[in-house]
Amino acid sequence: AQTVTQSQPEMSVQEAETVTLSCTYDTSESDYYLFWYKQPPSRQMILVIRQEAYKQQNATENRFSVNFQKAAKSFSLKISDSQLGDAAMYFCAYRYTGTASKLTFGTGTRLQVTL
Amino acid sequence: KAGVTQTPRYLIKTRGQQVTLSCSPISGHRSVSWYQQTPGQGLQFLFEYFSETQRNKGNFPGRFSGRQFSNSRSEMNVSTLELGDSALYLCASSNGTGAFSGANVLTFGAGSRLTVL
Repeated sequence: AQTVTQSQPEMSVQEAETVTLSCTYDTSESDYYLFWYKQPPSRQMILVIRQEAYKQQNATENRFSVNFQKAAKSFSLKISDSQLGDAAMYFCAYRYTGTASKLTFGTGTRLQVTL
Repeated sequence: KAGVTQTPRYLIKTRGQQVTLSCSPISGHRSVSWYQQTPGQGLQFLFEYFSETQRNKGNFPGRFSGRQFSNSRSEMNVSTLELGDSALYLCASSNGTGAFSGANVLTFGAGSRLTVL
């Protein structure tokens, strides 16, 4: 079974600084996707970034980038120039590429952004 | 384009009652998935529907059921409610087509917060 582990329950970063959230996963599959979702207090889960396992190039979306290490099964999220609006729960998630596969989530990291 | 709409947003029930939650997916999306979020168990997959057929099911008791209608709207039902069913229930939709539908991005609704007393 696939598992996703987020070892940092809480992180804090000052506004305009950079922070990295860690995620490791375990799977025997070779074709899968990894995701970072953000859940603000409004509760709506918002996709931050997506990485296909077959792509060696790390995904980037504006201030958000990942460090994908397939052999180490590591998938960290870097947030640059942190903003107050980045404060939220961040969930790392795994999904096998096959039909009807489910998302497997980590336990989440609560990110605080301070002035 | 309207997002995923879940109703009701909040509800309170008592043990033994049943509840029905509704999810309207993004227009054109044919796949709807349901997840339960609790502080203790985190986010867990309930089931996934595509074109009115359940394609995948998580490890939940038979009290949890769902269905999907021809317009892709989905409902989930929990019967004989227990205190442990108190949770945020999240619905997500995606295109869902193709042999590699796992590549499709899930778009989530804001959730239905169920409290069981």
